[in-house]
Amino acid sequence: GESVGLHLPTLSVQEGDNSIINCAYSNSASDYFIWYKQESGKGPQFIIDIRSNMDKRQGQRVTVLLNKTVKHLSLQIAATQPGDSAVYFCAENGSNNRLAFGKGNQVVVIP
Amino acid sequence: DTGVSQNPRHKITKRGQNVTFRCDPISEHNRLYWYRQTLGQGPEFLTYFQNEAQLEKSRLLSDRFSAERPKGSFSTLEIQRTEQGDSAMYLCASSLVPERTEAFFGQGTRLTVV
Repeated sequence: GESVGLHLPTLSVQEGDNSIINCAYSNSASDYFIWYKQESGKGPQFIIDIRSNMDKRQGQRVTVLLNKTVKHLSLQIAATQPGDSAVYFCAENGSNNRLAFGKGNQVVVIP
Repeated sequence: DTGVSQNPRHKITKRGQNVTFRCDPISEHNRLYWYRQTLGQGPEFLTYFQNEAQLEKSRLLSDRFSAERPKGSFSTLEIQRTEQGDSAMYLCASSLVPERTEAFFGQGTRLTVV
């Protein structure tokens, strides 16, 4: 069946360094992907999205890369800040119009 | 605040009781989703509405769960005869399709069944 998963459960990064979070998906029919950030006790917060007709999209301090050949998605955070500490989820939107989430990747920023 | 609003934020109930949660989506958003999230896991899809029509329900949504969106605006999720396994964060999200497809989430309702 469909699945979205993350390679690394926890990423510790020094403040100011860049972070990279990876995600693998299995549904080749998915045409839209979103990265969410979730802080403790809060709902997921939209960060950035990308459609399957693109391979890269940049936002403020964040970049999402999509490799459809290997069904891989990554989120790059530039100059990581303490406020970036959270759990990050990738989600895919398939033909059924629902978002399917992976298990999440904890990012811990070390001051 | 024009984001997605959920009430209550926290709910503690005794096993066997009924509970109802409310979600107010972003105004003009025509699609509304309900998700459930347990500790350490990603949100799991429960159901979604396009305007007032409930278009899909997950197999996770047992017959004790019912959701409504009577006027195509706010939605309610009711759980009857709650069980301890229902303890989770219940998240609501909304989006505007087809113009924009990103879904925005509320802060969730944390349910604890004791």
